[in-house]
Amino acid sequence: DAKTTQPPSMDCAEGRAANLPCNHSTISGNEYVYWYRQIHSQGPQYIIHGLKNNETNEMASLIITEDRKSSTLILPHATLRDTAVYYCIVRVDSNYQLIWGAGTKLIIKP
Amino acid sequence: ETGVTQTPRHLVMGMTNKKSLKCEQHLGHNAMYWYKQSAKKPLELMFVYSLEERVENNSVPSRFSPECPNSSHLFLHLHTLQPEDSALYLCASSRLPGMNTGELFFGEGSRLTVL
Repeated sequence: DAKTTQPPSMDCAEGRAANLPCNHSTISGNEYVYWYRQIHSQGPQYIIHGLKNNETNEMASLIITEDRKSSTLILPHATLRDTAVYYCIVRVDSNYQLIWGAGTKLIIKP
Repeated sequence: ETGVTQTPRHLVMGMTNKKSLKCEQHLGHNAMYWYKQSAKKPLELMFVYSLEERVENNSVPSRFSPECPNSSHLFLHLHTLQPEDSALYLCASSRLPGMNTGELFFGEGSRLTVL
């Protein structure tokens, strides 16, 4: 599975959109992009995933570039409860393994 | 509430003790996972069970012994652990791979301290 690169930390003001970038320049054609987050001392929580097209659900939007080498997770109206570590992972659908990196620590400020 | 329940939430044990961690999922999934999360390190996959058969075993020491009696329950039996085994142990479940199943559902974890 391809590796991902994320900034170690980011700040965002409460009520604003939080845009979290992820680079996955070695992604293969059959690898999906997944996003999870982990709030302190809790288990990771699935947010969203996609293959080629942009995706949106009740939590977030996922924007994948046309060449699929990078993506952005957008939390449209960040709240203090969105403070967490956000993980971007790429994975072939048939694999059990998810390769977890260090993620991005997102801090939402009042 | 994710549908995956882990017990106990906290466990303190000596190096000579034997204990078990329990995980139960109510989501109808057929794959279950044990992950280890040490301080300041990424999540590490330990074991995967698919349809109650172990399919992944990532070079985990034998002092950790998994058991999957049915598709809803997963155990991690612990014996003669070392202090460096202190970590958050996370259980997860999912549908089977190949069904667009990257979505893992995690429990809250069991915080283990080995003295």
